[in-house]
Amino acid sequence: AQSVTQPDIHITVSEGASLELRCNYSYGATPYLFWYVQSPGQGLQLLLKYFSGDTLVQGIKGFEAEFKRSQSSFNLRKPSVHWSDAAEYFCAVGAIGGSYIPTFGRGTSLIVHP
Amino acid sequence: DAGVIQSPRHEVTEMGQEVTLRCKPISGHDYLFWYRQTMMRGLELLIYFNNNVPIDDSGMPEDRFSAKMPNASFSTLKIQPSEPRDSAVYFCASSTQRGDAEQFFGPGTRLTVL
Repeated sequence: AQSVTQPDIHITVSEGASLELRCNYSYGATPYLFWYVQSPGQGLQLLLKYFSGDTLVQGIKGFEAEFKRSQSSFNLRKPSVHWSDAAEYFCAVGAIGGSYIPTFGRGTSLIVHP
Repeated sequence: DAGVIQSPRHEVTEMGQEVTLRCKPISGHDYLFWYRQTMMRGLELLIYFNNNVPIDDSGMPEDRFSAKMPNASFSTLKIQPSEPRDSAVYFCASSTQRGDAEQFFGPGTRLTVL
């Protein structure tokens, strides 16, 4: 069974600073990997996804993520954070074959200081 | 498309009452998911449907919870009787029948059981 770990419950950054949110997964083969964002009072929205090919994936709102098989990681990055990026971020891992249902991490809450 | 529609957005009820949450998935999506989100437990998958058929309800916490999908455009999640510990935000999401399919989330229903 697949699993995903987001080791940071909260991350605080200053506006304009760079950001990296960590995600580690456990799965025997190449997984499907997703990052979602949840703004306050809203549902989750897809930021980006990885299935195969280029290990650096570009997403919406200036986010990118890099798949590193050797580290079983799929960290989310942004070079310069805006105050509007304050939200909850979820990493998810899906499996090929049988079930396409992703497993979500516990989420990382991003706090942005002015 | 209007996206995934959930109603009501907020529900306040008293312990012991029946609660029904409603969801309209995106047209053409074959999968429908019900999630519960709390501070303590994060995002939990309760049940999901494929082509209106319940596939996995192992996340449903107790027999007090039930879900139906009478047709491709409507699903309900019912709690009877409700308890204060059921207070949470309940999300409905839908996706297409593809391995790389993202889930589209509704805005959620915030349930408060007094």
